[in-house]
Amino acid sequence: DAGVIQSPRHEVTEMGQEVTLRCKPISGHDYLFWYRQTMMRGLELLIYFNNNVPIDDSGMPEDRFSAKMPNASFSTLKIQPSEPRDSAVYFCASNTRRLNTEAFFGQGTRLTVV
Amino acid sequence: GQQVMQIPQYQHVQEGEDFTTYCNSSTTLSNIQWYKQRPGGHPVFLIQLVKSGEVKKQKRLTFQFGEAKKNSSLHITATQTTDVGTYFCAGRRGSTLGRLYFGRGTQLTVWP
Repeated sequence: DAGVIQSPRHEVTEMGQEVTLRCKPISGHDYLFWYRQTMMRGLELLIYFNNNVPIDDSGMPEDRFSAKMPNASFSTLKIQPSEPRDSAVYFCASNTRRLNTEAFFGQGTRLTVV
Repeated sequence: GQQVMQIPQYQHVQEGEDFTTYCNSSTTLSNIQWYKQRPGGHPVFLIQLVKSGEVKKQKRLTFQFGEAKKNSSLHITATQTTDVGTYFCAGRRGSTLGRLYFGRGTQLTVWP
């Protein structure tokens, strides 16, 4: 397996534009997590899904953020409209509870909003 | 609020010195994991501890899980420049086994 795949790796956008981040979890994993990492706040959990269903979205900063998981192999995190304070590295991770295993992280998307 | 506290936030050591980072949870954990993130990289799993009082070793790294399953530590003996990075602990609670509660991480710098 290629691991968790995120795209794009880097995104630079102007304030007010819509940004969509994509994630493909490891096949067979039934949990998917979106994290945001900044120097100020560390690694923050934004939202997580179990079997494609959002379980906890309390970490989503505000209504500008939305996440979907239309099927077991794909998830998106959308920011509309984007703001400079959204600049961060966004990680997607997946794991499976069945074996109580570790979380596998993608390479991350470095987002810069100017 | 913060579920898992981790200290220190930063640690600078001379190569060859030891290093320790500590995690403390407000609630009992079902297990705890440790991750390492190299500069510019993503968190990578190191180890999982499950049993009360468990101690595991990986070469120069020693991991401990407290008797009450609320705290944990990672100790590195004789640090090397390759140890540079941020070390995170992440705990699981019995009620939400799928989710990991990450500490803020300890950023380790090793001077040659």
